[in-house]
Amino acid sequence: DAGITQSPRHKVTETGTPVTLRCHQTENHRYMYWYRQDPGHGLRLIHYSYGVKDTDKGEVSDGYSVSRSKTEDFLLTLESATSSQTSVYFCAISGNGYYGYTFGSGTRLTVV
Amino acid sequence: EDQVTQSPEALRLQEGESSSLNCSYTVSGLRGLFWYRQDPGKGPEFLFTLYSAGEEKEKERLKATLTKKESFLHITAPKPEDSATYLCAVQAYGGSQGNLIFGKGTKLSVKP
Repeated sequence: DAGITQSPRHKVTETGTPVTLRCHQTENHRYMYWYRQDPGHGLRLIHYSYGVKDTDKGEVSDGYSVSRSKTEDFLLTLESATSSQTSVYFCAISGNGYYGYTFGSGTRLTVV
Repeated sequence: EDQVTQSPEALRLQEGESSSLNCSYTVSGLRGLFWYRQDPGKGPEFLFTLYSAGEEKEKERLKATLTKKESFLHITAPKPEDSATYLCAVQAYGGSQGNLIFGKGTKLSVKP
């Protein structure tokens, strides 16, 4: 996806370990979002950022934290991974927050 | 509570067989309705944004329409390459910094 990169693309981790997912953008967009996608659910917002060091919680934020020290990077951390956090995680960016998003390719996380 | 419901969950069509996907929504004040296409293993790809009842937008074989309670994605003479999951999302006035609320999607399969 042009201008937005997620890493890693796949990760398997053990229950109780910390995990950090990275979203990097080259579009200089102000807004960045983390969503998770699970079978039987739509995309659900975890956290979002509206500027450097400005973040807020979404619908399913428990067990997750985020940081944004630079415009281009938005990190999602699972402090102590649980099996319920096995999911596909998508990062999205938006220039003004009101005209839709551009999504990354996703990170498939498996917690065993 | 803002909510999006998509139907059907899955749709199988023969090549050339036109049909429609439905997105019903409940939102306090609609700022915009979005359609995305998602291919397996990839992030959602933006298709359309609709802002007011009566608005229509077209792109190749796809046409999106909007009423006060629902949106339709019409697919005319589909081809196998149109096979994908189609996601609908709404954005509400006063929502958290442009947060999109997604439906669960309609999985479209087009057989040759």
